[in-house]
Amino acid sequence: DTEVTQTPKHLVMGMTNKKSLKCEQHMGHRAMYWYKQKAKKPPELMFVYSYEKLSINESVPSRFSPECPNSSLLNLHLHALQPEDSALYLCASSQGPSLHSGYNEQFFGPGTRLTVL
Amino acid sequence: AQSVTQPDIHITVSEGASLELRCNYSYGATPYLFWYVQSPGQGLQLLLKYFSGDTLVQGIKGFEAEFKRSQSSFNLRKPSVHWSDAAEYFCASPGGSSNTGKLIFGQGTTLQVKP
Repeated sequence: DTEVTQTPKHLVMGMTNKKSLKCEQHMGHRAMYWYKQKAKKPPELMFVYSYEKLSINESVPSRFSPECPNSSLLNLHLHALQPEDSALYLCASSQGPSLHSGYNEQFFGPGTRLTVL
Repeated sequence: AQSVTQPDIHITVSEGASLELRCNYSYGATPYLFWYVQSPGQGLQLLLKYFSGDTLVQGIKGFEAEFKRSQSSFNLRKPSVHWSDAAEYFCASPGGSSNTGKLIFGQGTTLQVKP
């Protein structure tokens, strides 16, 4: 299995709602990532989990809360979002990072298209 | 600061014509370099990667890229473009931080294919 899956594909939520995005991989990867992508822009890194521990938080607002329940699953909990948070949210995984891997070949999921009303 | 630059924001080619998308990097040592493709509303798919060794790298879908240290470039090429190649293309590199998980992306190049 060389896939990263994401659910849901589309999500529409109000500013007072609480929702979650889910990402799953079964490639035995030990690093997982959340990205935010606006139209016609490159992905922007939000969070990195390495061996199920949060290793990078790119100063993301607290209304985004990541969770890594196990090495195959990554969630992004959403609460009190703003309309400007509407974007494509991408999950990725890689064998690294580690001091020994030396590279970051990341495999991306298809994304969740989020619209905040 | 380390950076990846894609000088062309938008490129239009005719179907069957050859294609070259440019990518320049700024990093002193030999970087790891990737090309990703993204179809509308989809995730990113890895086309090819360069780590070391042979500077001409073959990828999927008939793409290749050549690493040129003297020009700090890693340009993507395809000899004959198909209409299905219309997409957004991103060059990326971890720069010097290959063990942190961060990828530096170029701004992307939108490829339009004319019939």
